[in-house]
Amino acid sequence: NAGVTQTPKFRILKIGQSMTLQCTQDMNHNYMYWYRQDPGMGLKLIYYSVGAGITDKGEVPNGYNVSRSTTEDFPLRLELAAPSQTSVYFCASSYMAGMSTGELFFGEGSRLTVL
Amino acid sequence: AQKVTQAQTEISVVEKEDVTLDCVYETRDTTYYLFWYKQPPSGELVFLIRRNSFDEQNEISGRYSWNFQKSTSSFNFTITASQVVDSAVYFCALTSNSGGSNYKLTFGKGTLLTVNP
Repeated sequence: NAGVTQTPKFRILKIGQSMTLQCTQDMNHNYMYWYRQDPGMGLKLIYYSVGAGITDKGEVPNGYNVSRSTTEDFPLRLELAAPSQTSVYFCASSYMAGMSTGELFFGEGSRLTVL
Repeated sequence: AQKVTQAQTEISVVEKEDVTLDCVYETRDTTYYLFWYKQPPSGELVFLIRRNSFDEQNEISGRYSWNFQKSTSSFNFTITASQVVDSAVYFCALTSNSGGSNYKLTFGKGTLLTVNP
């Protein structure tokens, strides 16, 4: 059972570089999310998707982009990396049906440092 | 807007003590869901419980219990006879579908629990 898989687990970027964090899930979940976790600040939602072809901004979308071309994949792109984007990034997925919401399943996280 | 407040930033207990983690939430919706997640030192996020707003029954699972009180907008989590393996950051979270929030999960800032031997 792979669940939610994120790559890479660790990455160091220089200011101004770009990169993509990959996320894939094999549970056929319709909802997918990207969160960032900063020390003492909980998890902040960056972007989310309610299905293939549909994405929307969360609380802190600036500096990021996403796409959802398939149900399984939800990559997060960082353009022009800045030190403020140093964080741990979590991808998550869940199954939603009508008024029923399932729990989020999280990937193991990706630790990104921008120097 | 939704909000989750975990007023306790850090708690330290000695093994076998009982400990309660507080969670207070704000929402204008009548239908919503509350969650607790555990984040051990290894970093992954582990789902513990989901509770919907229509079910105020308390729940017990082994040494874990949850007290949901709509009157005080609280969803507190108690660990009985704590163990060192319970050391983790615990997050309370809330989701609903109001104002187009579309079931986005709002997290509290977390409570770091340290259980000392």
